[in-house]
Amino acid sequence: GIQVEQSPPDLILQEGANSTLRCNFSDSVNNLQWFHQNPWGQLINLFYIPSGTKQNGRLSATTVATERYSLLYISSSQTTDSGVYFCAVVRTDKLIFGTGTRLQVFP
Amino acid sequence: GAGVSQSPSNKVTEKGKDVELRCDPISGHTALYWYRQSLGQGLEFLIYFQGNSAPDKSGLPSDRFSAERTGGSVSTLTIQRTQQEDSAVYLCASSSGLLKEQYFGPGTRLTVT
Repeated sequence: GIQVEQSPPDLILQEGANSTLRCNFSDSVNNLQWFHQNPWGQLINLFYIPSGTKQNGRLSATTVATERYSLLYISSSQTTDSGVYFCAVVRTDKLIFGTGTRLQVFP
Repeated sequence: GAGVSQSPSNKVTEKGKDVELRCDPISGHTALYWYRQSLGQGLEFLIYFQGNSAPDKSGLPSDRFSAERTGGSVSTLTIQRTQQEDSAVYLCASSSGLLKEQYFGPGTRLTVT
C-alpha cells in the first residue's frame, strides 16, 4: 500500500523561530490534508491541499503532487503551536496518515 | 451541532465485555469514517460509510468489530469480547462527500483492563 513519511520526527524550537515540516508519499493520491493534534488529542484541520500553495496566518502549505511531497511552513512559532503535526493522503475513500512530527516550542 | 461529537469521551471496560461507541457527524455530511489511534500502530482507518452503507470495511481488525449507521447520521462502533489490544483512542470523522475534507471528533479513549 501507499507509504506516507514525515520528517523530522521531532522538532524543538524557541518561540519566534520558523520551521518546515515535510511529507513524502509513495504513490499518486486524490488529495492531502495537514492536521495539528493538540495536547488534548483533538485533530485540528490546517489545510486541505491537493496541489499548489495555501496560507492561513502564520502557517502555509505547498503540495507538489507530481513529485509526491508536501511542505508545511510555520513562521514565528508560538508555544501554542506545540503538538503533533500529521499529514494524511486521501486514497480512494480513506485517509492514510503519516507518523507525525512532534513539535515543542519553548518560550 | 457545529462539529463532530463522540460519546463517551472515556470508557474503561473489563476484558471480555462488549462496548459501544457513538459518533454524531456534522449535520448534512453524507460520509462518515472511523479511525483508531494507538501507540504501536499510529492512526489507522477502520471503516467508512456513505449514507447508511459501508462500502469499505477493510480496516476492521477482526470480526469482533462491527459498525452501523442509521438515518444517514449517527453511527455506532461495537467491539465484542474486548481484548487488551483494543485499548486505543477511537476517532470519528465526517465529510460532505467522498474525497472531500474530513473533520474529526474529539475521540473516545477506550481502556480494556
